[in-house]
Amino acid sequence: AAGVIQSPRHLIKEKRETATLKCYPIPRHDTVYWYQQGPGQDPQFLISFYEKMQSDKGSIPDRFSAQQFSDYHSELNMSSLELGDSALYFCASSLGNSDQPQHFGDGTRLSIL
Amino acid sequence: AQTVTQSQPEMSVQEAETVTLSCTYDTSESDYYLFWYKQPPSRQMILVIRQEAYKQQNATENRFSVNFQKAAKSFSLKISDSQLGDAAMYFCAYRSLAYSGAGSYQLTFGKGTKLSVIP
Repeated sequence: AAGVIQSPRHLIKEKRETATLKCYPIPRHDTVYWYQQGPGQDPQFLISFYEKMQSDKGSIPDRFSAQQFSDYHSELNMSSLELGDSALYFCASSLGNSDQPQHFGDGTRLSIL
Repeated sequence: AQTVTQSQPEMSVQEAETVTLSCTYDTSESDYYLFWYKQPPSRQMILVIRQEAYKQQNATENRFSVNFQKAAKSFSLKISDSQLGDAAMYFCAYRSLAYSGAGSYQLTFGKGTKLSVIP
């Protein structure tokens, strides 16, 4: 069965650079969630989208923005990168109005030098 | 806001033995979902088991079962006949059932329990 696809799998950037992470949800899933997992930490909710509109916002820095496109894929844009942004970034997808659980991608490991 | 607490940062179990991971949560909601996710060193986030709060029967999935105590706000995971492949970080997670109309049901995670399986 098709799963959530995230790209790239690894990304290395320097401070003050920008980065774009991509997420392709499971086909027919209309809701996308972004989570940030720092080293040795639990995943923290950043932002979510339902039917291409932002549906909820968590602890996402103002330097980050995201959107969901017409094909339901989502991109997380990160600017003015800081050392503290080094983390594993997960995308998860689900059917928005159902009780089905979220399915996670394999994550993007972002390292800031 | 909901909070999830996992009080055991690390646990170990002998292969083929049984281990129980603890989780407590705090919420003012009456209906919600609880989950256990497994994160092996490969870093994938894998759903292990799910419990609906409105169901009294404890969920089971093969060797994995939960002990859900709604009044006590407790949700423990029991792993029977532990296998080497069970070694991972285990996260307990909460999800609201209330439908806000926006289709967003973000998960709130505990800090995780690192499970080691001893051969």
